[in-house]
Amino acid sequence: GAGVSQSPSNKVTEKGKDVELRCDPISGHTALYWYRQRLGQGLEFLIYFQGNSAPDKSGLPSDRFSAERTGESVSTLTIQRTQQEDSAVYLCASSLDWVGTEAFFGQGTRLTVV
Amino acid sequence: DQQVKQNSPSLSVQEGRISILNCDYTNSMFDYFLWYKKYPAEGPTFLISISSIKDKNEDGRFTVFLNKSAKHLSLHIVPSQPGDSAVYFCAASEERGHGGSQGNLIFGKGTKLSVKP
Repeated sequence: GAGVSQSPSNKVTEKGKDVELRCDPISGHTALYWYRQRLGQGLEFLIYFQGNSAPDKSGLPSDRFSAERTGESVSTLTIQRTQQEDSAVYLCASSLDWVGTEAFFGQGTRLTVV
Repeated sequence: DQQVKQNSPSLSVQEGRISILNCDYTNSMFDYFLWYKKYPAEGPTFLISISSIKDKNEDGRFTVFLNKSAKHLSLHIVPSQPGDSAVYFCAASEERGHGGSQGNLIFGKGTKLSVKP
């Protein structure tokens, strides 16, 4: 596709359930980022993939959060045993590489944990 | 600890005037800075960037200034238009990182700009 695609666009889940969020980056982009934006808050870094390097997981808030990326394509962010504080918009972005290029964002997945 | 700080959560400006959005950073290793604009229910969109080898970059109504000694950058919008009303995020990245942090984009909390007609 022409841009970063995220699915689903909205997800409502019950507390304690697992959820999986998907990100399709722009073709050819080696870098992929996940961010979270809680209501009224800024963009909180979660995880960063760059090519074949080990991902930077320093932003993952707990071990309930994990993410994978298949080569330089699709990424999934998994949240296990969801809690109400996990409710947020989860944004994915990709960039051509890390050297002085901007990242392009998807529309985000709005996750609501009830 | 916040590495990128936008200390003003909101800013209100009259149409036609200058909007100045500020951003401070703490990591002296950051060498590339970007501004993003975000409308409600949309993902952020790239606006303008600056490399640490420059102190100014201009693109139409948008100019970014970088003061490396003060670890401060600002975005100027002249003249401001009602359509500029959005949340503006400052972001920084480090070209020569370590521990896998190379290229990681760190964002500030954003400043909500309101341009009044």
